[in-house]
Amino acid sequence: AQSVAQPEDQVNVAEGNPLTVKCTYSVSGNPYLFWYVQYPNRGLQFLLKYITGDNLVKGSYGFEAEFNKSQTSFHLKKPSALVSDSALYFCAVRDKRTYKYIFGTGTRLKVLA
Amino acid sequence: GAGVSQTPSNKVTEKGKYVELRCDPISGHTALYWYRQSLGQGPEFLIYFQGTGAADDSGLPNDRFFAVRPEGSVSTLKIQRTERGDSAVYLCASSLTGSGDTQYFGPGTRLTVL
Repeated sequence: AQSVAQPEDQVNVAEGNPLTVKCTYSVSGNPYLFWYVQYPNRGLQFLLKYITGDNLVKGSYGFEAEFNKSQTSFHLKKPSALVSDSALYFCAVRDKRTYKYIFGTGTRLKVLA
Repeated sequence: GAGVSQTPSNKVTEKGKYVELRCDPISGHTALYWYRQSLGQGPEFLIYFQGTGAADDSGLPNDRFFAVRPEGSVSTLKIQRTERGDSAVYLCASSLTGSGDTQYFGPGTRLTVL
């Protein structure tokens, strides 16, 4: 069965410091992997995705994520956090053989000025 | 261009009533998804349409839930005999083809069953 784990409910980081939001997954086949961000009272916004190819994926707003097949992880990173990055972040996975997307429970990122 | 829209934005109903939630996807997107998001949780997959047909409805929790997309564009999620446990935000997303394409989400409909 497919599953996604976001082990941290909340991540706090000082503005200007690097940030990491963790995601591990379990799928029986090869995965599509996604990160979405949700701001208060707004819909989910796409950040980046891994489909195939280079394991390091760059996305919107300076975010990037690295697909690690051996560790089944897809951690979200940013070299220098901004206060405006504070939001709820969701990791999602889809087995390439199905159409069903599985989302993690979300990690709230708080960037402190 | 216009994004995914959902109506109504809020719906309050009484236990046992019937509700319909509407989704207007991005024009030209053949894939459409419905999700349910409860407080403190991630979106939970309900159903996936490719064109007019439901390619995967394995996420619908029971036979009170049904969705249609008769012309391959607008979709309606229908919930019969609503229960308090159905209270959640119902999200719709569309993508160009469904083959790993980016999903674009609507703002959601907040359903409250009293």
